[in-house]
Amino acid sequence: GIQVEQSPPDLILQEGANSTLRCNFSDSVNNLQWFHQNPWGQLINLFYIPSGTKQNGRLSATTVATERYSLLYISSSQTTDSGVYFCAVLLRRDDKIIFGKGTRLHILP
Amino acid sequence: KAGVTQTPRYLIKTRGQQVTLSCSPISGHRSVSWYQQTPGQGLQFLFEYFSETQRNKGNFPGRFSGRQFSNSRSEMNVSTLELGDSALYLCASSLVLATDTQYFGPGTRLTVL
Repeated sequence: GIQVEQSPPDLILQEGANSTLRCNFSDSVNNLQWFHQNPWGQLINLFYIPSGTKQNGRLSATTVATERYSLLYISSSQTTDSGVYFCAVLLRRDDKIIFGKGTRLHILP
Repeated sequence: KAGVTQTPRYLIKTRGQQVTLSCSPISGHRSVSWYQQTPGQGLQFLFEYFSETQRNKGNFPGRFSGRQFSNSRSEMNVSTLELGDSALYLCASSLVLATDTQYFGPGTRLTVL
C-alpha cells in the first residue's frame, strides 16, 4: 500500500532555531496537507499544498508532486511550535486520506 | 464562526457496549470526516460524509458506522466495543469535500475497559 514517511521522527531544538520537516509519499496524490497537533491534542491545519510553495508567517511549505515529497519549514522557532507535525495525502486512485506517523518537535526555551 | 465541536469529550465504556459520538461542523461546511488516533496506529481515516451520503470509507470493520443529518451534523457509532477501540476520535469538517482544507474538532477520547 501507499507509504507516507515523515522525517525526522523526533526533533529537539533551541528557541530561535530553524527546522525542515520532510514528508515522502509513494503514490500519486491529489492533495497534501500539513497539520500541527498541539500538546493538548488539537489538530490545526497549517497548509493545503498539493503542489508549489506557500508561506504563512514563520512557516512555509513546498510540495514537489512529481518527486513525491513535501517540506515544511519553521523559522525562528518558538516554544508554542512544540507538538507533532503530520502530513496527510489524498490518494489519487481512491480518494482515501493517509497520514504519516508525524514528526514530534520540542522547542526548548 | 464557531469551530468544529464534538461531544462528549471523554467517554468510558466497557467491552461489548456500543457508543455514539457526535460532531457539529463549522457553519456552512458540508463535508465531515472521522478519524481514529491511537499510539500504535497513528491517525487513520474512518469515513467521510457529504450531503448525508457516505462518500468514502477507510479500512475498519462494520462495527464502525456513521451518518450525517440534513444540517451536516454527523454521528459515528461503534458497536460491540473492544479494548482496541480505545482511542481519540477526531472529526473534521471542510467546505465541500475532504479535498478542501480540513478543520478539526477537539476530539472525543474513548476508553474501553
